[in-house]
Amino acid sequence: GESVGLHLPTLSVQEGDNSIINCAYSNSASDYFIWYKQESGKGPQFIIDIRSNMDKRQGQRVTVLLNKTVKHLSLQIAATQPGDSAVYFCAEISGTYKYIFGTGTRLKVLA
Amino acid sequence: GAVVSQHPSWVICKSGTSVKIECRSLDFQATTMFWYRQFPKQSLMLMATSNEGSKATYEQGVEKDKFLINHASLTLSTLTVTSAHPEDSSFYICSAESGPGGEETQYFGPGTRLLVL
Repeated sequence: GESVGLHLPTLSVQEGDNSIINCAYSNSASDYFIWYKQESGKGPQFIIDIRSNMDKRQGQRVTVLLNKTVKHLSLQIAATQPGDSAVYFCAEISGTYKYIFGTGTRLKVLA
Repeated sequence: GAVVSQHPSWVICKSGTSVKIECRSLDFQATTMFWYRQFPKQSLMLMATSNEGSKATYEQGVEKDKFLINHASLTLSTLTVTSAHPEDSSFYICSAESGPGGEETQYFGPGTRLLVL
């Protein structure tokens, strides 16, 4: 079946270093992708999105890269801070506008 | 912009009682809202899609008579867990689509933690 998965369940990064969180998707027809951040006990928070006609999009300290050839999505966080510690989900959206979420990657920022 | 609120943020109830959770879009109108359930350390599981003025669309395996959804206005959707049991204890999260016809971006509420004793 179609699914969205994450390569690493937990990522530990030193404060100040860059973080890269990866996501694989299986539906080549998906045309919209979103990264969400979820802190403990809170709802997911929108971080950044990208459409399939793009391969890179930058926000404030975050960059999303889309490689449609290998169906891979990544979230890069520059100069990772303690406040970045959370679980990050990628979401794949197809033409039916139904979201498929990955299981999430927990980012731990080490002081 | 695009703020979604939920009320209550947490609730404890006795087995057999019903619990209502509200989801509001504060600064935009949401034709479509979604209800998710999340177990500890797991991803979000879509329960149902709520469309203003019409019946909700439930995902396979979700009992519509157990989880009543009402989307009475463009800014409010409610989820009622009827005759709650301990296995219904979970984190319930709603989201709302911003934009008519679906701009696809969902904005999430802060979640409601339900504990059924």
